[in-house]
Amino acid sequence: GDSVTQMEGPVTLSEEAFLTINCTYTATGYPSLFWYVQYPGEGLQLLLKATKADDKGSNKGFEATYRKETTSFHLEKGSVQVSDSAVYFCALTKEAGTALIFGKGTTLSVSS
Amino acid sequence: DTGVSQNPRHKITKRGQNVTFRCDPISEHNRLYWYRQTLGQGPEFLTYFQNEAQLEKSRLLSDRFSAERPKGSFSTLEIQRTEQGDSAMYLCASSPQGGGRYYNEQFFGPGTRLTVL
Repeated sequence: GDSVTQMEGPVTLSEEAFLTINCTYTATGYPSLFWYVQYPGEGLQLLLKATKADDKGSNKGFEATYRKETTSFHLEKGSVQVSDSAVYFCALTKEAGTALIFGKGTTLSVSS
Repeated sequence: DTGVSQNPRHKITKRGQNVTFRCDPISEHNRLYWYRQTLGQGPEFLTYFQNEAQLEKSRLLSDRFSAERPKGSFSTLEIQRTEQGDSAMYLCASSPQGGGRYYNEQFFGPGTRLTVL
């Protein structure tokens, strides 16, 4: 079945460091891909998305490119801040109105 | 737009009791989803409604679980005869029908954290 695999955390970085969180997926067809973020004590928020191959999603300095050839959707940010400390989830869905399939999440901790 | 709301935010119950959670989706969102999230894991899909029709149920939704969405507005998730393994965060999400800017996006509520003693 369809699945999402994320790099295991926690990821610990200093402020202004470069961030990469790897995400690969297994799915038939052409899924849409998402990164959700969960800040401490808060609900899941959509960070960015890409709906077709080679699309780049971006938001708040974060970027991810939908690579169909490598079935990947890695999350990157050039300079992290303490406020980016959260749990990040990679997810896919085959079409609107169907379940989101999530990875296990990666905890990011940024220190000043 | 007030977002997806869920009540209660926390529920502590004893094993064997029944519990019910409520989800109010974003107004005019006709699609509603329930997920379960355990510690250290990503959310797992439980069930999906389009308007009042329950269109999909996961194998995770045992016969002790039932969900309803009367009149296609709010939804309830009931767990009967709770077990310690039911302890988790229960998340609700909603999405609009049709294409456009929010195509394929699901908007999540804050969740209900259930603890079964």
